[in-house]
Amino acid sequence: DTAVSQTPKYLVTQMGNDKSIKCEQNLGHDTMYWYKQDSKKFLKIMFSYNNKELIINETVPNRFSPKSPDKAHLNLHINSLELGDSAVYFCASSRGRSGEQYFGPGTRLTVT
Amino acid sequence: KNQVEQSPQSLIILEGKNCTLQCNYTVSPFSNLRWYKQDTGRGPVSLTIMTFSENTKSNGRYTATLDADTKQSSLHITASQLSDSASYICVVSAGYQKVTFGTGTKLQVIP
Repeated sequence: DTAVSQTPKYLVTQMGNDKSIKCEQNLGHDTMYWYKQDSKKFLKIMFSYNNKELIINETVPNRFSPKSPDKAHLNLHINSLELGDSAVYFCASSRGRSGEQYFGPGTRLTVT
Repeated sequence: KNQVEQSPQSLIILEGKNCTLQCNYTVSPFSNLRWYKQDTGRGPVSLTIMTFSENTKSNGRYTATLDADTKQSSLHITASQLSDSASYICVVSAGYQKVTFGTGTKLQVIP
């Protein structure tokens, strides 16, 4: 299947832990994104990578660190998890910086 | 400050009826405007995309309009179906590096 995939789909962890979320796209896109959707369903962009280079880094705590090993992958590592990090995290990709974005299924992170 | 406001916040309509969702934005400089549909528990899926020179775009029963002068867009859904129940998100891009999402309209279609 051609798509944007994320793992895991659900992640429950305790405060203070470090966790990673993986994202892969096989659409041949050169731009990838991470979004956070809070409990009010508001989507906010966190990071954007174009050809493995960071082009958008919104005001996000430095506990969040994206890693792009190649154009098809953009992983999100989160250190010292806090309760407020609980949300659904979406990965997306596009052809070019202004192309249509294709979203993954989301990762629901719950910090207890 | 770039903002995208959508109305109504939520909407309930009977199956088969039409409805129109609104999006007002203050994003500048304007690059394009997209409407996304997000089913519960899934990622958003693009419905339409419009640039400055386009004032209407259709995708099946979905028709989006854009008035770049008044900075307003609408999404009209014709002959609604139960599967149209979802959140609809208006997204406005300002150049390459600024994408602003609206808070969405939650639509529920009932039989």
